[in-house]
Amino acid sequence: GEDVEQSLFLSVREGDSSVINCTYTDSSSTYLYWYKQEPGAGLQLLTYIFSNMDMKQDQRLTVLLNKKDKHLSLRIADTQTGDSAIYFCAEIETGGYNKLIFGAGTRLAVHP
Amino acid sequence: DVKVTQSSRYLVKRTGEKVFLECVQDMDHENMFWYRQDPGLGLRLIYFSYDVKMKEKGDIPEGYSVSREKKERFSLILESASTNQTSMYLCASSLPMTGNYGYTFGSGTRLTVV
Repeated sequence: GEDVEQSLFLSVREGDSSVINCTYTDSSSTYLYWYKQEPGAGLQLLTYIFSNMDMKQDQRLTVLLNKKDKHLSLRIADTQTGDSAIYFCAEIETGGYNKLIFGAGTRLAVHP
Repeated sequence: DVKVTQSSRYLVKRTGEKVFLECVQDMDHENMFWYRQDPGLGLRLIYFSYDVKMKEKGDIPEGYSVSREKKERFSLILESASTNQTSMYLCASSLPMTGNYGYTFGSGTRLTVV
């Protein structure tokens, strides 16, 4: 079945760039997503990328997609303390009900 | 502002109690989902519904049931709460073709079973 894998923890210094990586298994997945979860809150859609794109940029966020290696990354430029959160990668399960398959989440800690 | 509303942020229940977690969405979404979130395990799908009165088991349905009598409301029921059901519960909704909107999540209910 489909599986999405992420490293569990990343620590960066304020002002540096953060790169969160994700691997997925379903090569037919049409959309891939990044969600952000702040402490004690639900998940918010941060950004998405359509499968025919290699890169998507949205202000401080850059998403890179390598379909050959089934690798997705999220780069946050000029990381701030407000970026401290858990980041979830997700792919669409093709066929069936188009459910999202989530990774376990990467906890980003930003320190001064 | 579109939203998914979960009725309680925090809940404390006793072992053996029947527990109802309520979720309401105002986006006219067909699909609704219940997840539980535990540290290191990410999100695990309990049940989902793709239409009124329809339900499908997710990855961990044991000990849970659901009800969807109206399109906007999806209830999660713990028939007899146990301490291993202490967790954060997240509700989400979506259109049938998830597309660029993805899922919209509620704020979560942190349930403690004592």
